[in-house]
Amino acid sequence: GAGVSQSPSNKVTEKGKDVELRCDPISGHTALYWYRQSLGQGLEFLIYFQGNSAPDKSGLPSDRFSAERTGGSVSTLTIQRTQQEDSAVYLCASNLAGPGEQFFGPGTRLTVL
Amino acid sequence: DAKTTQPNSMESNEEEPVHLPCNHSTISGTDYIHWYRQLPSQGPEYVIHGLTSNVNNRMASLAIAEDRKSSTLILHRATLRDAAVYYCILRDVGGAQKLVFGQGTRLTINP
Repeated sequence: GAGVSQSPSNKVTEKGKDVELRCDPISGHTALYWYRQSLGQGLEFLIYFQGNSAPDKSGLPSDRFSAERTGGSVSTLTIQRTQQEDSAVYLCASNLAGPGEQFFGPGTRLTVL
Repeated sequence: DAKTTQPNSMESNEEEPVHLPCNHSTISGTDYIHWYRQLPSQGPEYVIHGLTSNVNNRMASLAIAEDRKSSTLILHRATLRDAAVYYCILRDVGGAQKLVFGQGTRLTINP
């Protein structure tokens, strides 16, 4: 079956512009996670959605970052007024509820010039 | 989440076994030990997890020390495709569901 998909695979933007990154989780997975991976920080958690519960936003680095998950499926991560330090690979993962295996997408490589 | 300690890098030869160590001296009774790996230019992928007993699956084996303060991921016969960064992660069964990644071990496989 289809895995987690993300789009675009690469995004180049200018400093100060807004960007939207999309994640399509595996069908039926109620939990969805966003992580990012940058050279200086390694892999870090950003936000977690579980069903209809309030999302865990504890990893969002600033109020320029936000995410939503519509209809319990597709999620969009939005970064407003991008900065060069936002350059990273943004990874999405999904799983069934609980502490089981997380399935990761291929990531979106964001470059802020 | 409790912290884990892994060597920064390891090297092995193709078709030989590889033992990747992980120390987690502050592990709690409800922490599961998870291993993920990340191949070049890909997202992380799940390898194996366990609580107390040793575990085997098609990818690897996980050996857990009796006091649970350390564990070892075993690749029985390494291939070039096993070259990746391997992450050892503790997850509380009742705690936050996010994965907390450390620096991991970069495994190089020599042909």
